[in-house]
Amino acid sequence: AQTVTQSQPEMSVQEAETVTLSCTYDTSESDYYLFWYKQPPSRQMILVIRQEAYKQQNATENRFSVNFQKAAKSFSLKISDSQLGDAAMYFCAFLASGTYKYIFGTGTRLKVLA
Amino acid sequence: SAVISQKPSRDICQRGTSLTIQCQVDSQVTMMFWYRQQPGQSLTLIATANQGSEATYESGFVIDKFPISRPNLTFSTLTVSNMSPEDSSIYLCSVEYDILSYNEQFFGPGTRLTVL
Repeated sequence: AQTVTQSQPEMSVQEAETVTLSCTYDTSESDYYLFWYKQPPSRQMILVIRQEAYKQQNATENRFSVNFQKAAKSFSLKISDSQLGDAAMYFCAFLASGTYKYIFGTGTRLKVLA
Repeated sequence: SAVISQKPSRDICQRGTSLTIQCQVDSQVTMMFWYRQQPGQSLTLIATANQGSEATYESGFVIDKFPISRPNLTFSTLTVSNMSPEDSSIYLCSVEYDILSYNEQFFGPGTRLTVL
């Protein structure tokens, strides 16, 4: 069975600074996807970034980038130039290829300090 | 991206009663899902809502407790039956359009349920 671990229940970052959220996972699958979802206080979850396991290149989306270490089963999210609107709960998720069941981590609450 | 609405957005219910949560999507989708997010915890998949047939439940969830309907490709309901305080959670529906969505699921705003 797959598991996803987020070891940081809460993180804080100063506005305009950079923060890295950690995520590790365990799986025997070779083909899978990894995601970071953001859940603001309004509760609507939105996708931040996605990584296909077969791609060696780390995904980037504007200020958001990942450090995907497949051998180490690590998938961290880096947020650069943090903004107040980045404050939210961030969930790391795993999806085995050919399936639909997301496995979510327990989340990291990010606070952005003005 | 999808526009997903849920009704009600929140409710406070008495023990032993039932609540039906609605999920409406702005366009047809292939897959619809129901998740539970207990206070301070992660999301757990309850079931996949299948159009025109019985839902597929995950381990630990049963149809008698969480009956689900999906009469068409844009709408689904989840009923939380015979509620107890342990059912207090946020319930979210999510959708996946098709293979072109690259496995991205879009989530509704959630329904916050409190059972007294």
